[in-house]
Amino acid sequence: GNSVTQMEGPVTLSEEAFLTINCTYTATGYPSLFWYVQYPGEGLQLLLKATKADDKGSNKGFEATYRKETTSFHLEKGSVQVSDSAVYFCALSDPYGNNRLAFGKGNQVVVIP
Amino acid sequence: EPEVTQTPSHQVTQMGQEVILRCVPISNHLYFYWYRQILGQKVEFLVSFYNNEISEKSEIFDDQFSVERPDGSNFTLKIRSTKLEDSAMYFCASSERWAGGRETQYFGPGTRLLVL
Repeated sequence: GNSVTQMEGPVTLSEEAFLTINCTYTATGYPSLFWYVQYPGEGLQLLLKATKADDKGSNKGFEATYRKETTSFHLEKGSVQVSDSAVYFCALSDPYGNNRLAFGKGNQVVVIP
Repeated sequence: EPEVTQTPSHQVTQMGQEVILRCVPISNHLYFYWYRQILGQKVEFLVSFYNNEISEKSEIFDDQFSVERPDGSNFTLKIRSTKLEDSAMYFCASSERWAGGRETQYFGPGTRLLVL
């Protein structure tokens, strides 16, 4: 079945550092790929998405490119801020299903001033 | 900006009791979903709902669970006889349409359920 794997463990980094969160997936066909973010005390918010191979999603300085050859959708930001501290979830949606999302475990990102 | 709302934010119940979790999806959305996240684990799909019926359910969504759209605005998840392992954060989501999986789902803030 469809699944998403995110790198283990929280990520702690200093303000203005470069952020990468790895995401790989297993799916049949051509899923759509999403990054959701959860700020403390809030629900999941869509950060960005890509719906076909080689598409790049971007929002708020974050980027991720849909790489079919490596089945990956890594999230990057060039210069993080304290306000980027949150939990980041990678997810995929099966194009033949009923919009069911399969999520990765999430990564806690803590940005230190 | 329209948003999905959920009530209550926290619910504590005794094992064996029934609970109803409530959600108000975004008003022009047609597809509704429930997900849950057990502490430390992945967010898991429970059920999707369209046109007043279940369109897909996961293996987790057994006979103790049910969903309903009792009126034009609410979407509820009922757990008939709660178990300890039902303790989790429950998220409601909605989307405007089906688009081959490309459609964005908008999530509520969640209800944290604790079964004692």
